[in-house]
Amino acid sequence: GAVVSQHPSWVICKSGTSVKIECRSLDFQATTMFWYRQFPKQSLMLMATSNEGSKATYEQGVEKDKFLINHASLTLSTLTVTSAHPEDSSFYICSALGLAENTGELFFGEGSRLTVL
Amino acid sequence: KQEVTQIPAALSVPEGENLVLNCSFTDSAIYNLQWFRQDPGKGLTSLLLIQSSQREQTSGRLNASLDKSSGRSTLYIAASQPGDSATYLCAVRVADKLIFGTGTRLQVFP
Repeated sequence: GAVVSQHPSWVICKSGTSVKIECRSLDFQATTMFWYRQFPKQSLMLMATSNEGSKATYEQGVEKDKFLINHASLTLSTLTVTSAHPEDSSFYICSALGLAENTGELFFGEGSRLTVL
Repeated sequence: KQEVTQIPAALSVPEGENLVLNCSFTDSAIYNLQWFRQDPGKGLTSLLLIQSSQREQTSGRLNASLDKSSGRSTLYIAASQPGDSATYLCAVRVADKLIFGTGTRLQVFP
C-alpha cells in the first residue's frame, strides 16, 4: 500500500511553546489529508480535513487557532499545536487520500506522540 | 450523525481459535468500510477495504463482510495467533470523512 510518513514520531515540549508535526505522502500525491487525535485507550477523533492549496475544514469543537493546519503541496501537510498545554498531550495521526485514488482507501502515518510538560 | 460501534470491546482467547469481531453503523449511506489494526503506541495498518457495493473481502486469514442495509460488518480471523494481538478498528467513509468505531482490543495467548 501507499506510504504516509509522520515526523516527529514523538516530541516533548514545555507548556507555552509551539510544536509542528509533518505528514508526508511518500509515493503518491495526496489532494486531501486528515488529522486525527487519539487519547489513551480511545478511538480516533477527526480534528480537521485539509485540502491542498485551501484552508482546512475543522470539526466542531476543534480550535482552528490552536491547531494550525497547512497543506502547501500535494505531498505535505503540517499540524502546528500553538501555545501547547498539558491537555494537548495526545497521539496525533494523519492520513492521506491519493490524487488518483478511486477506491477511497485511506493510508495512515505512524502517528506522533506529543507530551507537554 | 453517523455512529460506529464495535463489539466486543475486548477479547482474550487461546491461539488457534476462530474469531468474529463486530462493527455496526447507524447510517447506511456509506462510501466504503475499512478495517484497521493498531498496535500499542503505533499508527494504523489497513487490513481490508470493502466498497459499498461489495459484500466481502478476504486477505489471508482475514475475511470481512458488509451488510450495508443492516449497518453491520464483521471481521473474521481464522486460526488466531499471538501475533494477531492488537486493537482492531473499523471505520466507515462518509463523504470525505472516515468515522472510526470504538475498537476491539484482542489478546491471543499461547
